[in-house]
Amino acid sequence: GQNIDQPTEMTATEGAIVQINCTYQTSGFNGLFWYQQHAGEAPTFLSYNVLDGLEEKGRFSSFLSRSKGYSYLLLKELQMKDSASYLCAVGPGGYQKVTFGTGTKLQVIP
Amino acid sequence: SQTIHQWPATLVQPVGSPLSLECTVEGTSNPNLYWYRQAAGRGLQLLFYSVGIGQISSEVPQNLSASRPQDRQFILSSKKLLLSDSGFYLCAWSVEGRGNTGELFFGEGSRLTVL
Repeated sequence: GQNIDQPTEMTATEGAIVQINCTYQTSGFNGLFWYQQHAGEAPTFLSYNVLDGLEEKGRFSSFLSRSKGYSYLLLKELQMKDSASYLCAVGPGGYQKVTFGTGTKLQVIP
Repeated sequence: SQTIHQWPATLVQPVGSPLSLECTVEGTSNPNLYWYRQAAGRGLQLLFYSVGIGQISSEVPQNLSASRPQDRQFILSSKKLLLSDSGFYLCAWSVEGRGNTGELFFGEGSRLTVL
């Protein structure tokens, strides 16, 4: 089965850097995803890691350590519009199904 | 380009009434299709997924059912709604076949309130 843990809520200041952690335990692994979900809207894809290391995409970076079952999402130069929930999700050994964590609600304050 | 649409966007239904949510994908062939539910304050729960017409896999026991009558059409149904069926329902698709990342593309969502 899949077990994914991430903090429920975080608060950070506009212009700062925030790191959202995710740990997972899975029976198979085919990649780790991060999605952003604004309140009342559908999730949108942010990043995908299948190999260990850091993937950078603009202000957002995602890190994966498969041996530790650990990932983080790093958001730099925070903007008010970054206030949203950030969902960690893991694909199992097959490719059809992705299991989501409960999400981390990030509040960016002035 | 590929698009996904689901409807209705919002509905309020009495307990015991039927439900039908519809989702269609355009611009791609033979997609993997999914129905997720997000209850208030909870994560996304996978309800059903489909890898082809008429092929439905159920992830959790419930009073909901899904059907895929056409390649790019996915329907979520219930004969009798329960209070616990309230939530935000999301249809999604991903590219079929090995080698794809499994990235999900979500529809706009359908917010269901059962009273």
